[in-house]
Amino acid sequence: AQSVSQHNHHVILSEAASLELGCNYSYGGTVNLFWYVQYPGQHLQLLLKYFSGDPLVKGIKGFEAEFIKSKFSFNLRKPSVQWSDTAEYFCAVNARAAGNKLTFGGGTRVLVKP
Amino acid sequence: DVKVTQSSRYLVKRTGEKVFLECVQDMDHENMFWYRQDPGLGLRLIYFSYDVKMKEKGDIPEGYSVSREKKERFSLILESASTNQTSMYLCASSIGGGLGGELFFGEGSRLTVL
Repeated sequence: AQSVSQHNHHVILSEAASLELGCNYSYGGTVNLFWYVQYPGQHLQLLLKYFSGDPLVKGIKGFEAEFIKSKFSFNLRKPSVQWSDTAEYFCAVNARAAGNKLTFGGGTRVLVKP
Repeated sequence: DVKVTQSSRYLVKRTGEKVFLECVQDMDHENMFWYRQDPGLGLRLIYFSYDVKMKEKGDIPEGYSVSREKKERFSLILESASTNQTSMYLCASSIGGGLGGELFFGEGSRLTVL
């Protein structure tokens, strides 16, 4: 089945460490790509998105993601995390091949130790 | 700011009860969605609607129905709740012109079915 995969379910790291969260999808053709974040006790919110153009996109709070079409990947990165980045991160893909419905990955829980 | 309001943050129901989850958005968005969020499974789409009185099945519609009588309101109905419907339910909305745009989420309704 076509899907969105996030490689890590849990990530634990210290403040100032670099973060990279993997996301792969299996849809061909045109895709729109998103990363959403859910901070503890809060609603999901958009971190960044890619529709077209420069494959390196910058989002809020110092996050960026790179779309690599040949690898069907959209990995999220942050060079130096803070304790406040503790959250659950979701990759999501909207693909014409999937009927234009947004499909989410399983999520990655990130814990940043102070 | 876009606001998506879900009527109940926490509900406890018994098996076989009928459950209504209400969602209201204040930004005149055409599209509205119901997801359920379960650990390790991410968000799975139950139903969505792209216009008043229109509804489309998502990936896991079994055991659920929806109603959209007004543009701003989208209700999720569990006709006969079962324990496997214990979950966090998220409502979202997005602007029209296709289903691939940014979603704005409510804070969620945590349903426990005993």
